[in-house]
Amino acid sequence: GAVVSQHPSWVICKSGTSVKIECRSLDFQATTMFWYRQFPKQSLMLMATSNEGSKATYEQGVEKDKFLINHASLTLSTLTVTSAHPEDSSFYICSARDGLLGSHNEQFFGPGTRLTVL
Amino acid sequence: AQRVTQPEKLLSVFKGAPVELKCNYSYSGSPELFWYVQYSRQRLQLLLRHISRESIKGFTADLNKGETSFHLKKPFAQEEDSAMYYCALKGQGGGNKLTFGTGTQLKVEL
Repeated sequence: GAVVSQHPSWVICKSGTSVKIECRSLDFQATTMFWYRQFPKQSLMLMATSNEGSKATYEQGVEKDKFLINHASLTLSTLTVTSAHPEDSSFYICSARDGLLGSHNEQFFGPGTRLTVL
Repeated sequence: AQRVTQPEKLLSVFKGAPVELKCNYSYSGSPELFWYVQYSRQRLQLLLRHISRESIKGFTADLNKGETSFHLKKPFAQEEDSAMYYCALKGQGGGNKLTFGTGTQLKVEL
């Protein structure tokens, strides 16, 4: 099946620094990618929808300037957490939707990235 | 607004016993409902979708629009079914985005 990778799998950074997380679709073209955030023992919360070649659509309450999303190619989307603070510590998960017909709206999920801000 | 509710955080059953993971939704239009599963140390993956009306790994789920429910069922639980299960809803339009429930941890005991 379709595979989505994320890099890094975990990252620790100092408060005030920026962190970039990559999401790649390995064997299919993803016209749409989604970024989620998951707090411990809580559900996945959609942060933004990333469309290749256009600006991302952010969910209400998500700061665009804080969480920069770039979807420059059909296989790569990046999430940059700018000026990270301890409250940004979380598990970030991306998913990708196959742009071809027959996908039935299925999203394929990456393994997630654990961000810890000290 | 769309919402998904999974009332049980943890469901513990014995091997061979029937399983029912509850999911209720709130949506004014015609939703698409999904069940996702996350096994220990693995990524989230699609288990089944209501439009396919399929049985995967012995699990089935029927969309009940009258009760706005999409409960996941399996007649005989297996140890390998132990995992985190998330119910998700996709509304009409909205760019295919999913709204997830809070998840139910299923533990199948021997």
